[in-house]
Parts: sequence; C-alpha cells; structure tokens
Amino acid sequence: AQSVTQLGSHVSVSEGALVLLRCNYSSSVPPYLFWYVQYPNQGLQLLLKYTTGATLVKGINGFEAEFKKSETSFHLTKPSAHMSDAAEYFCAVTKGDSSYKLIFGSGTRLLVRP
Amino acid sequence: GAGVSQTPSNKVTEKGKYVELRCDPISGHTALYWYRQSLGQGPEFLIYFQGTGAADDSGLPNDRFFAVRPEGSVSTLKIQRTERGDSAVYLCASSSGTGGEQYFGPGTRLTVT
Repeated sequence: AQSVTQLGSHVSVSEGALVLLRCNYSSSVPPYLFWYVQYPNQGLQLLLKYTTGATLVKGINGFEAEFKKSETSFHLTKPSAHMSDAAEYFCAVTKGDSSYKLIFGSGTRLLVRP
Repeated sequence: GAGVSQTPSNKVTEKGKYVELRCDPISGHTALYWYRQSLGQGPEFLIYFQGTGAADDSGLPNDRFFAVRPEGSVSTLKIQRTERGDSAVYLCASSSGTGGEQYFGPGTRLTVT
C-alpha cells in the first residue's frame, strides 16, 4: 500500500531564504510522486510531478523536487522564498501511470516572514 | 478556459439532514474524482468515475454516501442522514483520462451542526 509522510505541519522561513518541505513515501511498486499547493479558498494546484526518468523535477514558480529512491524521499525546494509562496503544500503518491487514486500527506503550511 | 467548479461553496446543515454537492468538471474530461479533506488533513479519495460509471467507490465511508454522474459530465455527491463527523471540505477533480493530471475545484465546505 502507498502512504506519504510530510515532516512538519508548519514551516516558517524569511523572505529570500531557502524553502525545504520534506516528503517521504512508502510504496510497494514504483511510484508516481506529486506536489500540490493550496491557496486559501482555492483548489489544489499541481506544482510538479515525478513519473519516470530524470530524478530532479522542475515545476512552476521556481520549485523543484528530487526523487531519491534509496531514501524514499521527494523533498520540495525553492532557493528563495517569496511572500506569495505562503500556502499549504501537499505531497502525494500514486501507483504509477495506471492509478487514479492520489494518496496525500497531511500537508505542510509554509509561512513566509518579511 | 473554465476550470472545475463546485456548488455550493459552503453548506451548513443540521444533523440528520440530506445534502447534495455538485461538481462541474472541465469540458471533455472523462474522469472525475471526489475527495474529502478534514481539518488539518490531506484530501482522502472517495470515488472515481470513468464516464457515467463509478469505477472505484472504495473510499466512500459508508452507505450514507452515494455519488452519481448520469450523463458523464456533472456529478453529484449525496449524503444521507448527515452526522457531525461528515463536516469537511469536499473536493472534486477531473482529468482527461485515467491517470491524467487531476485538476481540482475549490471545494464545498460542509458543516453539520
């Protein structure tokens, strides 16, 4: 069975600082991995996804994530935080391209201090 | 183009009442999904439609929950005899096919008093 663990329900950074949001997964088969962002009163928006191939994935708004199979991790990073990055971030996993069922972590709320 | 829309945006109901939540997917998307997001949690899968049929309803918590998609477009999630524990944000998503990127609506916040 698939599962996702996001370490830290809240992360606070200063504007301009590195953003690092942690995600570890458990999967019995090669996973597809996703990061979604949720702004208040808006739907979830896909930031980036890993399917196969290159393990460093670049997404929208300057975010990227690296799939590390040996560590079962898919951490999300951004070199320099902007105030507009403040939101809730969710890591998710599926069982590969035939699966429709996203399994989400519990989310990390990113706070950006001026 | 238009994204996924959900109505109502907020619904307050009394314990024991019946509610319907509506989802309008992106035009042409054949796959539709319902998720439930409880406070402080990530979304949890409820049900998946491919066309008009429910291909997987394994996430529905009990038989008080039911969903339909009669014409393969709009879907309605129906909850009978609501309980306070049903209070959550109900999210709908659609994709152009199974396994395709899921586009989410803004959700319906259901509060059962």
